Amino acid sequence: GNSVTQMEGPVTLSEEAFLTINCTYTATGYPSLFWYVQYPGEGLQLLLKATKADDKGSNKGFEATYRKETTSFHLEKGSVQVSDSAVYFCALSPRGHNAGNMLTFGGGTRLMVKP
Amino acid sequence: DGGITQSPKYLFRKEGQNVTLSCEQNLNHDAMYWYRQDPGQGLRLIYYSQIVNDFQKGDIAEGYSVSREKKESFPLTVTSAQKNPTAFYLCASSIGVGPYEQYFGPGTRLTVT
Repeated sequence: GNSVTQMEGPVTLSEEAFLTINCTYTATGYPSLFWYVQYPGEGLQLLLKATKADDKGSNKGFEATYRKETTSFHLEKGSVQVSDSAVYFCALSPRGHNAGNMLTFGGGTRLMVKP
Repeated sequence: DGGITQSPKYLFRKEGQNVTLSCEQNLNHDAMYWYRQDPGQGLRLIYYSQIVNDFQKGDIAEGYSVSREKKESFPLTVTSAQKNPTAFYLCASSIGVGPYEQYFGPGTRLTVT
């Protein structure tokens, strides 16, 4: 079956530090990959996505590249801010006839940014 | 503005009572989903519906029920058979079948005592 593995948190960084949150996946075929962000007490918001190998998704200074050879989709940001403190979820959606569009989520990684 | 609304944001119930959580979308999406989130954990799929009048069990459907009588609405009932109902419940929708992103509502936090 499909699965997504994220690094366990919390990840604690100082403002302006470099961020990497690792995500690896297991899936048949070539899924679409997503990063979602959840701020305290809220639902999930789509942060970025990539639909095929070597695609780079980017948004709000965050980036992630779809690496088929390593089955990874690591999230990076060059300089984090306090407002980036949230929980980040990596997810995949399978392709193919009758694959449906159920997302498989990783367990989430909490990021805490200190001023 | 298009989006997904869930109400209420906080809900309190006594043990043994059924409770229904509302989810409405005006995105004209065919597919809708219910997830459960427990503290410090990821999301687990309860039920999903790809078209009106059809829905399927997810990974943790026991103790829950849903209906999909209208495209815009996908209410979730937490029954007294659900052993640990206290959780954060998230509703989502997507355009249809395929590798599309899902759009989430703000969630309902249910506390059962």
